Amino acid sequence: QLQLQESGPGLVKPSETLSLTCALSGGSITSTETYWGWLRQPPGKGLEWIGSIDYRGRTYDNPSLKSRVTVSADTSKNQFSLNLNSVTAADTAVYYCSRVTASGWFEDWGQGLLVTVSS
Amino acid sequence: EIVLTQSPGTLSLSPGARATLSCRASQTVRNANLAWYQQKPGQAPRLLIFGASNRATGIPDRFSVSGSGSDFTLTISRLEPEDFAVYYCQQYGSSPVTFGQGTKLEIK
Repeated sequence: QLQLQESGPGLVKPSETLSLTCALSGGSITSTETYWGWLRQPPGKGLEWIGSIDYRGRTYDNPSLKSRVTVSADTSKNQFSLNLNSVTAADTAVYYCSRVTASGWFEDWGQGLLVTVSS
Repeated sequence: EIVLTQSPGTLSLSPGARATLSCRASQTVRNANLAWYQQKPGQAPRLLIFGASNRATGIPDRFSVSGSGSDFTLTISRLEPEDFAVYYCQQYGSSPVTFGQGTKLEIK
């Protein structure tokens, strides 16, 4: 059974870069017709898709984040990563990694990681 | 981008009752490419339904979806105690994928 686990710092300073990693177990990041995505949820609010990477390494991101997003994959470590630069307090949220179907729904989720942006 | 509006914001019902949750899109959701998720406090969302009407693995048949175009409804036929949670709809017919703001289903 596929499991996803987010890791990274829980506190990031304003203007710096938020960097998170999602490690997979029970599945391969090179599975065909599979995408890997990042989402976030500010405290008490709804869900927002951040960006995804597909099994061929092509990346997609939400235009609302104004090109601050980089999603990458490390097939040797069976993990993928998120970099979000120039963070502000508005980027404080629980960040989730997810397996995304080729159609676009989010099939499996990590447990989530709270990241706070504060000096 | 497509804006999804869920109503009501909060729904208070008793176990055994029937719940009806609405998801309305700002434009037609292509091919009814809509999914629903359940989220309990402190947990990640869980996929309930995809492709507008297909239940995910392990989801009981008391959960069903109807609708098309820009109006969709999630129905829980007979509420169990474990069904009280927040429910989100998501469209994946157009990029970027977007979510509704959620409906909180609480015990009356």
